Amino acid sequence: EDKVVQSPLSLVVHEGDTVTLNCSYEVTNFRSLLWYKQEKKAPTFLFMLTSSGIEKKSGRLSSILDKKELFSILNITATQTGDSAVYLCAVIRRALTFGSGTRLQVQP
Amino acid sequence: EADIYQTPRYLVIGTGKKITLECSQTMGHDKMYWYQQDPGMELHLIHYSYGVNSTEKGDLSSESTVSRIRTEHFPLTLESARPSHTSQYLCASSGQANTGELFFGEGSRLTVL
Repeated sequence: EDKVVQSPLSLVVHEGDTVTLNCSYEVTNFRSLLWYKQEKKAPTFLFMLTSSGIEKKSGRLSSILDKKELFSILNITATQTGDSAVYLCAVIRRALTFGSGTRLQVQP
Repeated sequence: EADIYQTPRYLVIGTGKKITLECSQTMGHDKMYWYQQDPGMELHLIHYSYGVNSTEKGDLSSESTVSRIRTEHFPLTLESARPSHTSQYLCASSGQANTGELFFGEGSRLTVL
């Protein structure tokens, strides 16, 4: 059975800290892995990763995929309170299969 | 800005009532999806459609049904609501580019008393 496992489940940091969120997967016929940010409402797209070793960056966020070890990390540098959210990792099957998410709380 | 709309945003209803959650998108996307998410929990795929007159059940078993008569419209129906159906229902769509990116609606939060 396909699995997407995220860790940690929850994380509390202070503004300015750097955080690393983890996502491991076991998926048949892997195509791509995606990261989403979910605040109070619907998830919003962050990154899609298809190839190993190629870092995707957007401002203070970056992500990389390791297809040999079957995991991805999402890094957030110089965290701000606005980064507080649930970060979801997902892999493509028939649709997106989501992990349970990492709840990040950034304190002032 | 994604153009996918869900109504109602919030619904409180009694047991046994029939409800329909509406989802419409104006992007011409062929693929549409329904996810169910309990508070603080992960999203579970309950239905998906790859085009008109095509619907499939997702990973999580659901008593709801869906229809896809028009490309832009993907309503979800519960014939007889029960308290166990209380949850948030998120509709999403994706386009031909097959990037995997889903565009989500803002969700319908259903409470069945």
